[in-house]
Amino acid sequence: SQQGEEDPQALSIQEGENATMNCSYKTSINNLQWYRQNSGRGLVHLILIRSNEREKHSGRLRVTLDTSKKSSSLLITASRAADTASYFCATDTQKLVFGQGTRLTINP
Amino acid sequence: DTAVSQTPKYLVTQMGNDKSIKCEQNLGHDTMYWYKQDSKKFLKIMFSYNNKELIINETVPNRFSPKSPDKAHLNLHINSLELGDSAVYFCASSSSGRETQYFGPGTRLLVL
Repeated sequence: SQQGEEDPQALSIQEGENATMNCSYKTSINNLQWYRQNSGRGLVHLILIRSNEREKHSGRLRVTLDTSKKSSSLLITASRAADTASYFCATDTQKLVFGQGTRLTINP
Repeated sequence: DTAVSQTPKYLVTQMGNDKSIKCEQNLGHDTMYWYKQDSKKFLKIMFSYNNKELIINETVPNRFSPKSPDKAHLNLHINSLELGDSAVYFCASSSSGRETQYFGPGTRLLVL
């Protein structure tokens, strides 16, 4: 069964603005990962946050994890046109279970 | 110096045919995976091999048969293709003890 569910399904913002995507899941996890998929391409790993971590940064990316609410958020600051892609959260419970992703469009 | 490669990139075939997709990784990983991404972008794991041993076998029709000749290769054979098999199939790999997975570019399968 599907574990992670992203919200919103689609997001369109202006270049330079911040983009926030949310992910909710149902069961206990070892870690939660975020991946990016450009149109017609494979997935690329962005960041991993473990179940005992609350926040993690990588460049313009900031991920939070709230295990009590079973939710995570991905924040992309100062967005660029090249950030246009689909973003997936994946929960790791001995295997990765992906949500359906958020389609992010950055308008120049 | 492609890390995870798949062939073919596109595959168009008739219903009832048998086809194979090949995957190779040069990252030295010992675990490989097959995923299916449907038209709604939902990505679901199908199989996983660790050191040539099948460790994950999701509820997949037995028309799908994976085969791992060695740690660097994982192939997917599909018998009696059906319209519903049309999707993008992704291969991925990872190293034991490391959770990050590296994905191939995908094989776009269209069954007519």
